[in-house]
Amino acid sequence: AQKITQTQPGMFVQEKEAVTLDCTYDTSDQSYGLFWYKQPSSGEMIFLIYQGSYDEQNATEGRYSLNFQKARKSANLVISASQLGDSAMYFCAMRGLNTGFQKLVFGTGTRLLVSP
Amino acid sequence: DVKVTQSSRYLVKRTGEKVFLECVQDMDHENMFWYRQDPGLGLRLIYFSYDVKMKEKGDIPEGYSVSREKKERFSLILESASTNQTSMYLCASSLLAAMDSFGGYTFGSGTRLTVV
Repeated sequence: AQKITQTQPGMFVQEKEAVTLDCTYDTSDQSYGLFWYKQPSSGEMIFLIYQGSYDEQNATEGRYSLNFQKARKSANLVISASQLGDSAMYFCAMRGLNTGFQKLVFGTGTRLLVSP
Repeated sequence: DVKVTQSSRYLVKRTGEKVFLECVQDMDHENMFWYRQDPGLGLRLIYFSYDVKMKEKGDIPEGYSVSREKKERFSLILESASTNQTSMYLCASSLLAAMDSFGGYTFGSGTRLTVV
């Protein structure tokens, strides 16, 4: 079965600093997709970034980048130059053949708090 | 602006009541999902539908049922609400994903259900 592990329940960072949120995954699939979502206190889930298992380069979207280390099965999210508005829950997720390819499996999340 | 709309942000229901949570998407997505979110447990899949009148159980279907009579609408039904169903419920939709395609979700803003 596929599994996502986020070992950091909470992280603190000062404004303008970079922060890395950890995500490791477990799968026997060769083809899979990895996602990061942000959930502010308002509750909606916002898609941040996607990495396909065959993508050789790390995905980047503005201040977000995904540090993809396939051999270590890790997909850490790096937020550069943190802003107060980055304070939120962050979820790592994946899909693959074992989840029927259509469904996402989510980790337990990391709460990020950005201080001034 | 494309969206997934959940009919209620907050609901309070009594134990034993039949509860309907409604979700509508305007993106012509094939897949629709219901998740519940609890602190420390992340998002857990309740039910999934990949077509009208088609449904598949997720990881925690007990105590829930679903209905998808039209492509755009996916309803979650709590047949007899219990206090342990107090949670945040998130609806999502996605296009039918191929092995190497994106397959990410668009989420609704969530329904926070309290059963008393």
